[in-house]
Amino acid sequence: KQEVTQIPAALSVPEGENLVLNCSFTDSAIYNLQWFRQDPGKGLTSLLLIQSSQREQTSGRLNASLDKSSGRSTLYIAASQPGDSATYLCAVSRNQFYFGTGTSLTVIP
Amino acid sequence: DTGVSQNPRHKITKRGQNVTFRCDPISEHNRLYWYRQTLGQGPEFLTYFQNEAQLEKSRLLSDRFSAERPKGSFSTLEIQRTEQGDSAMYLCASSSDRKGYTFGSGTRLTVV
Repeated sequence: KQEVTQIPAALSVPEGENLVLNCSFTDSAIYNLQWFRQDPGKGLTSLLLIQSSQREQTSGRLNASLDKSSGRSTLYIAASQPGDSATYLCAVSRNQFYFGTGTSLTVIP
Repeated sequence: DTGVSQNPRHKITKRGQNVTFRCDPISEHNRLYWYRQTLGQGPEFLTYFQNEAQLEKSRLLSDRFSAERPKGSFSTLEIQRTEQGDSAMYLCASSSDRKGYTFGSGTRLTVV
């Protein structure tokens, strides 16, 4: 069974810092990897989708990379803002998505 | 299209009662998924449909749980004889041809 691990579990940074969230998965036979944001008590908002043939995707201050062979992905957030505070979830898919437990990010003003 | 819609947003029920949740996916998406999320955990897969066919069910989906997707459009998830351990956020997502998921806002169930 696919297992997804996210490190760190929690992260607190001052506003303006660049940061990296890590995701690893055990089975490299995936179709997609997707990063989501979740605010407390809310549903999931898609941030970036990387298809298995791609190496990275960028959207604004976010950049996600994928290394299928090593089973790793990183989410890079540039110039963090207090509004970035949320839980970030990584998910990998074949017929269903397998999620990590997330990284809880707090950006301190 | 307003995205994936889930109703109700919140449901409080007494133990032993039945509850039903509804999910309306993005209209052109042929795949629909149900996930359950408890506090501090990532979402866990329950089941998914391709059009009206239920193709996979998790072992988490006990015989008290049933999901339907009549005519390949909206879906319902019913929990019979609810237990306190069923308290969770129930998330619905839809996708098209193994592309990215779009999630709804979820239904938060509290069993008292």
